Amino acid sequence: GAVVSQHPSRVICKSGTSVKIECRSLDFQATTMFWYRQFPKQSLMLMATSNEGSKATYEQGVEKDKFLINHASLTLSTLTVTSAHPEDSSFYICSARGVAGGSDTQYFGPGTRLTVL
Amino acid sequence: AQSVTQPDIHITVSEGASLELRCNYSYGATPYLFWYVQSPGQGLQLLLKYFSGDTLVQGIKGFEAEFKRSQSSFNLRKPSVHWSDAAEYFCAVVFSSNTGKLIFGQGTTLQVKP
Repeated sequence: GAVVSQHPSRVICKSGTSVKIECRSLDFQATTMFWYRQFPKQSLMLMATSNEGSKATYEQGVEKDKFLINHASLTLSTLTVTSAHPEDSSFYICSARGVAGGSDTQYFGPGTRLTVL
Repeated sequence: AQSVTQPDIHITVSEGASLELRCNYSYGATPYLFWYVQSPGQGLQLLLKYFSGDTLVQGIKGFEAEFKRSQSSFNLRKPSVHWSDAAEYFCAVVFSSNTGKLIFGQGTTLQVKP
């Protein structure tokens, strides 16, 4: 149980294009999903908190117009990197928050490697 | 400020030796505590977690961790390391159950010598 998928796993795009990354909780409903960015050999940096049916909450320094987040259902959140540039190249990881029986745990997707040429 | 510290950036142990990875957090109340493992190019897998109760928690793959309130620590241990344990290990803390936001430590890279 508690499986989270991400699609695509890897994407290469040209500078100036937009890229959409999907995050799905496969066997549980997640009212909250989180989006992280991870640079090589570094820890995860929280970008935003996504709540189903409401606007995402962005962390300080994260451009909300560049990183569009939509949480349309209890099992799907999407991150769109708009007008991507080489400096946006990174590993993007989502997580889904499962709260049941007093257990509050984030389950992580496998990540998406974005390369912007 | 709320923070999580993993003092050891890189640790090398011999296969079969014991392992302890350190984690300290800054806060007054008892937070939710987690250890995750990440293999290269992969997402994070939950090893174990602590919310309340017994301060020694057992996880997957033979790992355990002990919560010590007096030291604000949640160190990860394994009695005998296997070569497949080589990976990046992250300690993470939820300070606010309202937001559920995880604060991560810097990570510890574990290398296992044959």
